[in-house]
Amino acid sequence: KNQVEQSPQSLIILEGKNCTLQCNYTVSPFSNLRWYKQDTGRGPVSLTIMTFSENTKSNGRYTATLDADTKQSSLHITASQLSDSASYICVVSEDYNFNKFYFGSGTKLNVKP
Amino acid sequence: DTEVTQTPKHLVMGMTNKKSLKCEQHMGHRAMYWYKQKAKKPPELMFVYSYEKLSINESVPSRFSPECPNSSLLNLHLHALQPEDSALYLCASSQATSGAYNEQFFGPGTRLTVL
Repeated sequence: KNQVEQSPQSLIILEGKNCTLQCNYTVSPFSNLRWYKQDTGRGPVSLTIMTFSENTKSNGRYTATLDADTKQSSLHITASQLSDSASYICVVSEDYNFNKFYFGSGTKLNVKP
Repeated sequence: DTEVTQTPKHLVMGMTNKKSLKCEQHMGHRAMYWYKQKAKKPPELMFVYSYEKLSINESVPSRFSPECPNSSLLNLHLHALQPEDSALYLCASSQATSGAYNEQFFGPGTRLTVL
């Protein structure tokens, strides 16, 4: 069964600290993996997208890694800011089926001053 | 232009009302999606349109009626909703072909409250 699991469910960190969010998946055949940031009551915004052959991609203070062999991804946030408080959702898409997107349950990040 | 727009931003309706949610994109995407999202949960797929034809209906109650009048527009018609239908409704679009960089672009959502 194709699944995406994220951990932790929630995380509280102090402003300026770093953190890492995890995503494990069983989706096959794999096409790509995306990390989205979703502010409360708003639509998800894409942070990074990685294909099978990419194992790291950065977007400012966000760095995503992908290990396609172990089917694991992580999102590392450097020097966190209050505005990073949001939910982070990992989404994996299935190859050959353009409309098959599997969502993780998200990690709720709270950055405190 | 990588934007998906949705209107209205907020909607409050009674259980006997009829209303519509609208979604628009100009990225040339031929796949469009409706999702429902409850608080602290990931989005749940409701409908998928591919080339203006309904391709997936995830067993959604008939009080939700989707419509895709052209390749840029997607509507969701609402009638006789229940309070438990209150949620954030998200529209998304993507290419209608599989590919390494196929991804969904989401709109900002419509916050629906059913009284």
